[in-house]
Amino acid sequence: GAGVSQSPSNKVTEKGKDVELRCDPISGHTALYWYRQSLGQGLEFLIYFQGNSAPDKSGLPSDRFSAERTGGSVSTLTIQRTQQEDSAVYLCASSLAQSGAGPYEQYFGPGTRLTVT
Amino acid sequence: AQTVTQSQPEMSVQEAETVTLSCTYDTSESDYYLFWYKQPPSRQMILVIRQEAYKQQNATENRFSVNFQKAAKSFSLKISDSQLGDAAMYFCAYRVYNTDKLIFGTGTRLQVFP
Repeated sequence: GAGVSQSPSNKVTEKGKDVELRCDPISGHTALYWYRQSLGQGLEFLIYFQGNSAPDKSGLPSDRFSAERTGGSVSTLTIQRTQQEDSAVYLCASSLAQSGAGPYEQYFGPGTRLTVT
Repeated sequence: AQTVTQSQPEMSVQEAETVTLSCTYDTSESDYYLFWYKQPPSRQMILVIRQEAYKQQNATENRFSVNFQKAAKSFSLKISDSQLGDAAMYFCAYRVYNTDKLIFGTGTRLQVFP
């Protein structure tokens, strides 16, 4: 079956604009995760969803970042008033169940490269 | 704080040779999982191998094996018979049992020379 897909693949935006990044998880996966990968850094956890609810928002770097998930499927990460330090690759992952319930593997999408000019 | 350290920003190996990538982590937990992920230029993270902390036996997946030293909090990845397709960024990651957050190291870029 299809893997995790993300769109757009690349996004260039001007400082101060809002952007929306989309993630389509693997069908049937109830858990969904967002990570940020800045240049030369590892992945930084942002937020995860179990179904449509987000029990852990601790990784969101500021109130300019928000995410939602509808219908237990597609998720959108929104960054308002983008800043240059927001430039990074944003990766989405999904898993069959909440990872904490067992060794459920997180399957990653190809990411969206965001460049803020 | 839980941290994962990969002290080798870059490594290189000749095709068919063996290379070991190092990873250390800091935690006060006793139950956790450790992972190695591969990220090729396509950016898609691919799970290479997983180790449960309660298992003493080192995990093995074909040419990939780990050396898990729980007391030393060390989790190295050995790639045997290296192939050109192994060239990628490799990330070590950690997850506490019963939690959902993966904590990643900063990665090691592996180059494979013919």
